[in-house]
Amino acid sequence: GAVVSQHPSRVICKSGTSVKIECRSLDFQATTMFWYRQFPKQSLMLMATSNEGSKATYEQGVEKDKFLINHASLTLSTLTVTSAHPEDSSFYICSARDPDGINYGYTFGSGTRLTVV
Amino acid sequence: AQSVTQPDIHITVSEGASLELRCNYSYGATPYLFWYVQSPGQGLQLLLKYFSGDTLVQGIKGFEAEFKRSQSSFNLRKPSVHWSDAAEYFCAAAQGQAGTALIFGKGTTLSVSS
Repeated sequence: GAVVSQHPSRVICKSGTSVKIECRSLDFQATTMFWYRQFPKQSLMLMATSNEGSKATYEQGVEKDKFLINHASLTLSTLTVTSAHPEDSSFYICSARDPDGINYGYTFGSGTRLTVV
Repeated sequence: AQSVTQPDIHITVSEGASLELRCNYSYGATPYLFWYVQSPGQGLQLLLKYFSGDTLVQGIKGFEAEFKRSQSSFNLRKPSVHWSDAAEYFCAAAQGQAGTALIFGKGTTLSVSS
């Protein structure tokens, strides 16, 4: 089945630094990928929709200059948290809708636990 | 606006008892519907999904869900709960067009008592 690989699984960074999270579709081409954020004991909130070769579409309230999304190929999307602060500490999950999306639905990465100290 | 509602924040069920988790959606047309389970600190696991056809959908781990258009609901059920079912359960929906994101409900925490 469709697999999405997300790295790193955990990262700790100092306040003010930037962190890059990668999301790769391993056995299919993902025209569209989605990025979610999940705070402890809360639901997944959609941050942005990433389309290959074009600018990402951000949800209301998400700072596009802080959360940089690049989808340069059909198998890779990256999320860079710039000038991270402790309030950015969260669980970030990517998702891709595989090419036979009607039948196979959405595939999720395993998530990245970001801790900003 | 499109939304998914899970009315129950936390449910406790005795081991061996039956379970029903509620989910309602608000969409212009019937969306694709999903149930996911998440254990603490883990990613999401798909339990089942509904696109069209038979309104009773069978999933993994003995779960099933029933789509009811008249009630805009997609409730998850299991006849006999096991202690290992304790986790967070999310209902999600997406419009049918390619490229639309899943929208999640707030989740229901399931606790299983012995």
